[in-house]
Amino acid sequence: AQKVTQAQTEISVVEKEDVTLDCVYETRDTTYYLFWYKQPPSGELVFLIRRNSFDEQNEISGRYSWNFQKSTSSFNFTITASQVVDSAVYFCALSEEPLFSGGYNKLIFGAGTRLAVHP
Amino acid sequence: ETGVTQTPRHLVMGMTNKKSLKCEQHLGHNAMYWYKQSAKKPLELMFVYNFKEQTENNSVPSRFSPECPNSSHLFLHLHTLQPEDSALYLCASSPGRGVGGSTGELFFGEGSRLTVL
Repeated sequence: AQKVTQAQTEISVVEKEDVTLDCVYETRDTTYYLFWYKQPPSGELVFLIRRNSFDEQNEISGRYSWNFQKSTSSFNFTITASQVVDSAVYFCALSEEPLFSGGYNKLIFGAGTRLAVHP
Repeated sequence: ETGVTQTPRHLVMGMTNKKSLKCEQHLGHNAMYWYKQSAKKPLELMFVYNFKEQTENNSVPSRFSPECPNSSHLFLHLHTLQPEDSALYLCASSPGRGVGGSTGELFFGEGSRLTVL
């Protein structure tokens, strides 16, 4: 079964704290893709990162970093020195079909983690 | 102009009404999607259209009827809805096969918040 679990429903931190959002996935495919999206109060989901199952290198982009571990089926997201503008709902997603075979991408999302960063 | 535009942003309707949600994308994409977002639940994929053809219907009740007249426009027609259908309905698009430079992500609109009384 294809499933994405984000066990943390809500997280509240004070500005400048580091925070890690957890994502655990289930899939039987050997080729798959993982995503993180941010949903600010305005509603639209904003793409943050894509990872394919063959690339376990961690990635850093500014204050954002991602830790992909196939051994634990996890794809965690860390925000360093959090800011108020980071307040949003964050979604982890899984895509099992090859991205460009059918011309469309069937993403399976977790329930999301609401992050509140307080001044 | 934003890449994916949804109208209306907010809609309140009774269970006997008929209304429609509209999505328009200005990105030249060939695939369009409807997702349903209910409180504290994962986003649920409802429908996918690829090159105007419906390729996914995720066991959606017939009171939701999609329409894709061209690759830039997607509609969701609503009739005789139930209160549990109240949710944020998100439209998304993505490039089709062979489009260079795509990283595989979906591009989302801001959603239409639907309340069924």
